[in-house]
Amino acid sequence: KQEVTQIPAALSVPEGENLVLNCSFTDSAIYNLQWFRQDPGKGLTSLLLIQSSQREQTSGRLNASLDKSSGRSTLYIAASQPGDSATYLCAVPLRGGGADGLTFGKGTHLIIQP
Amino acid sequence: SQTIHQWPATLVQPVGSPLSLECTVEGTSNPNLYWYRQAAGRGLQLLFYSVGIGQISSEVPQNLSASRPQDRQFILSSKKLLLSDSGFYLCARNPGQGNYGYTFGSGTRLTVV
Repeated sequence: KQEVTQIPAALSVPEGENLVLNCSFTDSAIYNLQWFRQDPGKGLTSLLLIQSSQREQTSGRLNASLDKSSGRSTLYIAASQPGDSATYLCAVPLRGGGADGLTFGKGTHLIIQP
Repeated sequence: SQTIHQWPATLVQPVGSPLSLECTVEGTSNPNLYWYRQAAGRGLQLLFYSVGIGQISSEVPQNLSASRPQDRQFILSSKKLLLSDSGFYLCARNPGQGNYGYTFGSGTRLTVV
């Protein structure tokens, strides 16, 4: 059974710092990995999708890397801003097929202090 | 557009009452559709998914059921709500191929009292 772990569970830093959020998964046979952002009381917003054949994806100040063999992904946030405050979730397909649903980590609750 | 519409946004229901949450999606036809629940202090849990009209798979035994009467409509139901059914319910879609990402709706906050 695929399990996803995210570290740290919570993080509070001053504005402007570069951050690394960690995600690990137990079964390396994944099609892809997806990072989401969730604001309080809101749905999930997709940030980055990394295919199993890729090593990293970038979108603006966000960069996500994937190391399938070690079962790890990191989300790098450059020059953090107060608007980045949210919960960040890492997810991988529940089963190898990729379209049977996702299994999620419990998230990293991020607070960026102005 | 891969927009997902969920309603209502919030709902307060007494124990023992019925439930119907609706999700409709835009975009490509024949998507895979999913219902997730996020309970307080817990992670996201997949409840049901559907690969087509009338096709429902349940991930966990529970007090809830799902139906897909139309290609772009996914409904979550209960005949009698329990306190433990409280949570944040999210509908999601995927084009049905493993190399595409998932899109989520804005969710329904259900409080059973």
